[in-house]
Order: sequence, then structure tokens, then C-alpha cells
Amino acid sequence: KAGVTQTPRYLIKTRGQQVTLSCSPISGHRSVSWYQQTPGQGLQFLFEYFSETQRNKGNFPGRFSGRQFSNSRSEMNVSTLELGDSALYLCASRLFAGVPDTQYFGPGTRLTVL
Amino acid sequence: KQEVTQIPAALSVPEGENLVLNCSFTDSAIYNLQWFRQDPGKGLTSLLLIQSSQREQTSGRLNASLDKSSGRSTLYIAASQPGDSATYLCAVSRRDDKIIFGKGTRLHILP
Repeated sequence: KAGVTQTPRYLIKTRGQQVTLSCSPISGHRSVSWYQQTPGQGLQFLFEYFSETQRNKGNFPGRFSGRQFSNSRSEMNVSTLELGDSALYLCASRLFAGVPDTQYFGPGTRLTVL
Repeated sequence: KQEVTQIPAALSVPEGENLVLNCSFTDSAIYNLQWFRQDPGKGLTSLLLIQSSQREQTSGRLNASLDKSSGRSTLYIAASQPGDSATYLCAVSRRDDKIIFGKGTRLHILP
């Protein structure tokens, strides 16, 4: 069974631009979560989607948004990029939401904002 | 507010030694605790998941324990190997289903 895939793997943008990251979960998994990882803050939860609905959200500004499609694939969008948005963005999938269960992580998208 | 702390931030040990990584959390109202491994530039791999009702879990050379009342967990690695070099992250799942991660312990096994 294929693992979680994320595209693109690397991205370089400039301040003020916007970016869209994509995540394809493991087949059959309906929950997708997004995380931001930086050396200073570590791994921080962004949001979780289940059945095309956002069911949980972390403490990030509204510039960070996401969505999930009927095939469970998810996209994350960051508008008006800031230098501090440079990070590794990880997505994780699991079968269901609301059940404490193992999450399976993708390799991440490395975003650099210049 | 749940906080997860991992000490030390970095650790180097000779190959073959047994070692213990520590994780502490401030709120004992958790659903479960997980240990993950992260290799440089890569995603996370789940190693062990301990439900709140459990005391420990074992997988091969790895053993994780959980003491909810004291807010502590340990990851024990037996007979360490160079391939164990990685960053180890501890994460607790809260009742609102959010997951809080520690900042990790960077482990280096010396050949």
C-alpha cells in the first residue's frame, strides 16, 4: 500500500506570494492533518480535515487555510507569505478522526520564503 | 495548556549501549502518547503508541513506558546501532484530539 505523498517536495517563494501544498493520504484513510515544523517551535498542528470538513484547527493566522476533496486528498494554502513561514510542512493521514490512532506522515514539503 | 518537554535535546552514545530518552507532559488528561522517529529531511515514522490505560509497549529493541500520574514517558533502546541515529519525538494526544509534540531528542550512535 502506498504511503502518504506530498507535492512538491521543495518550494522557494518570495514574501507576499501565496503557495499551495498538496497531500495524498494512504488509500482508505479519510483524515488528513497538517503540521508546520521549524527549528524554533518544533512541530505545530495546523488543522485536520475529515470527510471534506475541517474538524480541528491550531493557533495559526487566517493566512493558513486548507481543504479536502471527496477522494480525501488535501491541499494547504498560505497567502501573503512571510519570512517566518519558512518551514517543513508535514501532512499525516489516519483512517478516521476522533479516534486516537496512529498517524502516518508524509515526507514533507520544504518551503523557503525569501 | 499542555506542554511536552524532551530532555536532553541531543545525545551521543557508543554503539551497543542501552539508552533511555525522556518525555514529560504537563497535563495528565491524555488519550495516548506516541514516540516517533524522524530522519534528516524526512517525515515521521511512528514507533510506539501507548494508550492512556496502558503502562508500556514493546517493539523489537524498543520499549516505551507511560506514567500518566507523574506526566512522564521513557523510550528505552536496547543494544543501540548506528542506524538508530535520528531525532526521536514524543507526542501526546489530548481529549480534544489535538496532538502536541515535544521538540525531540537528536540521537547520534557512535560506531
